[in-house]
Amino acid sequence: VQLLESGGGLVQRGGSLRLSCAASGFAFSSYAISWVRQASAKGLEWVSVLSDSGAGTKYAESVKGRFTISRDNSKNTVYLQMNSLRAEDTAVYYCAKEPSGSGAYNWFDSWGQGTLVTVSS
Amino acid sequence: SYELTQPLSVSVALGQTARITCGGNNIGSKNVHWYQQRPGQAPVLVIYRDINRPSGIPERFSGSNSGNTATLTINRAQAGDEADYYCQVWDTSAVFGGGTKLTVL
Repeated sequence: VQLLESGGGLVQRGGSLRLSCAASGFAFSSYAISWVRQASAKGLEWVSVLSDSGAGTKYAESVKGRFTISRDNSKNTVYLQMNSLRAEDTAVYYCAKEPSGSGAYNWFDSWGQGTLVTVSS
Repeated sequence: SYELTQPLSVSVALGQTARITCGGNNIGSKNVHWYQQRPGQAPVLVIYRDINRPSGIPERFSGSNSGNTATLTINRAQAGDEADYYCQVWDTSAVFGGGTKLTVL
């Protein structure tokens, strides 16, 4: 199982960024994928989850209405579109695989190495 | 929203047993999962559904969950076990504890 995030970088407050998570080594279309973030020297914060089919989504209250999660099962890739970015969104963003497709009541059995998003104020 | 409480730090002598707690309201009724995060690395799942170890995780790692406290136990602690440890449950969303830094003396 391999998850590779990309798309991070420096963006101004109020700007947008799209993160990608490219997966390999497993039946991608059968599993839910989450995004989890971690601000510098802080703990883990769950951001969003997308079910295997893409039909089921959930978001943390802190990003609801600003972030959109999506997937392209033909490309084995999950995306996180981040709009109206704030300084408090600055973090390393990890994508993480769940052990089933439902996207709820689960844990994260594989993680990518993360991509850093920095929002300048 | 549901909250998980972990001690900021735990210290253990080399070769001894470390216990890291995760407190939450009636957490015993939930499935608790544990992650290890070494400095500069991504988290790694070490326990899922309270007591289960993923393949590749040493038997020295075990978990328990009852009442208002879940516990990650690390037997025969090694220098390589030094890391941050996070508990996680699912409520209306995924919830993580604040993390515990384990120091092996």
